[in-house]
Amino acid sequence: SAVISQKPSRDICQRGTSLTIQCQVDSQVTMMFWYRQQPGQSLTLIATANQGSEATYESGFVIDKFPISRPNLTFSTLTVSNMSPEDSSIYLCSVEDRDRGNTEAFFGQGTRLTVV
Amino acid sequence: AQKITQTQPGMFVQEKEAVTLDCTYDTSDPSYGLFWYKQPSSGEMIFLIYQGSYDQQNATEGRYSLNFQKARKSANLVISASQLGDSAMYFCAMREGGYKLSFGAGTTVTVRA
Repeated sequence: SAVISQKPSRDICQRGTSLTIQCQVDSQVTMMFWYRQQPGQSLTLIATANQGSEATYESGFVIDKFPISRPNLTFSTLTVSNMSPEDSSIYLCSVEDRDRGNTEAFFGQGTRLTVV
Repeated sequence: AQKITQTQPGMFVQEKEAVTLDCTYDTSDPSYGLFWYKQPSSGEMIFLIYQGSYDQQNATEGRYSLNFQKARKSANLVISASQLGDSAMYFCAMREGGYKLSFGAGTTVTVRA
């Protein structure tokens, strides 16, 4: 299984600022995703990080608020911009490697964000 | 409409006993995959087990087994010989055709000594 390193593991940020979360995988993977988990809730897909092109965002999420980069097949970043307390959540990076016929979806350790 | 339904918000189980977590799903796609994840209080999502819609046999991984009843659209997780470390939130998820995972609301399991 892929080993995923997500940084930072947690942060407390002031409203109006931005935070960039990094996701590093130990092998090349075809698919990388970013999820949000609000307090006491389930996971919601924010976007699919596409290598070398703009991310594909789900309904309710926009690039200006959650810009995503994926410069290669092992790394992606998610930025939470102009934060408000409503952005306090766990943000999780997920990867899948379909090219090798794998079906599992693996997650990073998550970033626990608190906006004050 | 909810794609994944987990009706048990919380469950208590005695150490060394088995526990079954319910999951029903809704899809018209003949090709789909079902997942179970464990989320401890630390927040990480730990992959437990996977069942493909065309798999003939129920998936098993150590103490975890998936009771897949296709006609009833259910994919219950069975944890045998519960341990204190099994206390966590458990999520059922489904992937239809493509790649997007849809998650259920989760079930909190508390193992009692």
